[in-house]
Amino acid sequence: ILNVEQSPQSLHVQEGDSTNFTCSFPSSNFYALHWYRWETAKSPEALFVMTLNGDEKKKGRISATLNTKEGYSYLYIKGSQPEDSATYLCAFMGGGSQGNLIFGKGTKLSVKP
Amino acid sequence: NAGVTQTPKFQVLKTGQSMTLQCAQDMNHNSMYWYRQDPGMGLRLIYYSASEGTTDKGEVPNGYNVSRLNKREFSLRLESAAPSQTSVYFCASSEDWDRKTQYFGPGTRLLVL
Repeated sequence: ILNVEQSPQSLHVQEGDSTNFTCSFPSSNFYALHWYRWETAKSPEALFVMTLNGDEKKKGRISATLNTKEGYSYLYIKGSQPEDSATYLCAFMGGGSQGNLIFGKGTKLSVKP
Repeated sequence: NAGVTQTPKFQVLKTGQSMTLQCAQDMNHNSMYWYRQDPGMGLRLIYYSASEGTTDKGEVPNGYNVSRLNKREFSLRLESAAPSQTSVYFCASSEDWDRKTQYFGPGTRLLVL
């Protein structure tokens, strides 16, 4: 059974703080890694799809890096705002899986004004 | 563009009853997916359809069947509901299965008594 781990499970920061969290995944048979943002009472929304070792993606104040050789990805949020409060999910796709994403349990971020 | 729509939004069933959850997308996507979300668990894939005419089992397929009715619609059927199937069900679609973002519907909350 493939295991995708996210840490920390939850995080509380003050507005303006920068923060980061980790997604660990199997380092063999890598195909793609997805990051999603999930606000309470809404549906998950895509942030990034990462495919190459060393990939760095950026969307506004949010960025992500990928290390497929060691099996981890970092998500960074610069200058957190209350509207960044959400659960951040990563999902691993192995080779030959045809879209079968294995999701981590997420990191729940709370940003206090 | 409605994106991914799901019906119903909420349903209560008695053990042993059957029902079908409907999902439709208007983005001309080839691939569609059904997930369940349970407290303390990540999103888990039930079934997916990489392209029209194909369906495959995901991580937790037992107790479910699916039909890819056409390119737009992908339904999930519970033949004999059990309390363990109480969950929130999300449908998603993507342009194709290959490293493409998945777009999620609003979810169906199912309670089996």
